[in-house]
Amino acid sequence: DTAVSQTPKYLVTQMGNDKSIKCEQNLGHDTMYWYKQDSKKFLKIMFSYNNKELIINETVPNRFSPKSPDKAHLNLHINSLELGDSAVYFCASSPQNREQYFGPGTRLTVT
Amino acid sequence: KNEVEQSPQNLTAQEGEFITINCSYSVGISALHWLQQHPGGGIVSLFMLSSGKKKHGRLIATINIQEKHSSLHITASHPRDSAVYICAVDPYGGATNKLIFGTGTLLAVQP
Repeated sequence: DTAVSQTPKYLVTQMGNDKSIKCEQNLGHDTMYWYKQDSKKFLKIMFSYNNKELIINETVPNRFSPKSPDKAHLNLHINSLELGDSAVYFCASSPQNREQYFGPGTRLTVT
Repeated sequence: KNEVEQSPQNLTAQEGEFITINCSYSVGISALHWLQQHPGGGIVSLFMLSSGKKKHGRLIATINIQEKHSSLHITASHPRDSAVYICAVDPYGGATNKLIFGTGTLLAVQP
């Protein structure tokens, strides 16, 4: 059983397109996150939702919009993709004040 | 300067050696996390600690809150320990769980 799953695993698209990455967790956790890992492998928080409510929104361009239809899902929609959006995006979940469980990552390549 | 600094950035060891990775941080924290990123890209949480010491198998994590410093030790290292080890701090706790990441330590254990 996959605890935190993301789809797709790889995404190659052209500049200007709109794309979505989906994340689902079956752990019953209250909090879900989106992270971006750049080409130097540096991880940075983008968004965090707790019980479907946005609680962290870092300085991310508003082309990025998270959507949490329910506690088990946190999707990431990206409008007007740019070359600099190329990165690996990780979804994670956790109970409050506990370790985070990461998804396998989605490698986004914008050409 | 990053709020979380790790050393060394790169580490090569021979199988069986005792390994230490260090993490220093400059902010007050509610907890510190150690993560492992496999060569395939997946991220696994190893430890979450706010005081003292934790042990899991051959891995030991310690933290000194007063000195704002943590170490991750690997005893009897093995080639399968080769990975990037990432230190992250949670300055806020509660429902926020916002992690600030170090730049990672790339460990290669040679047979």
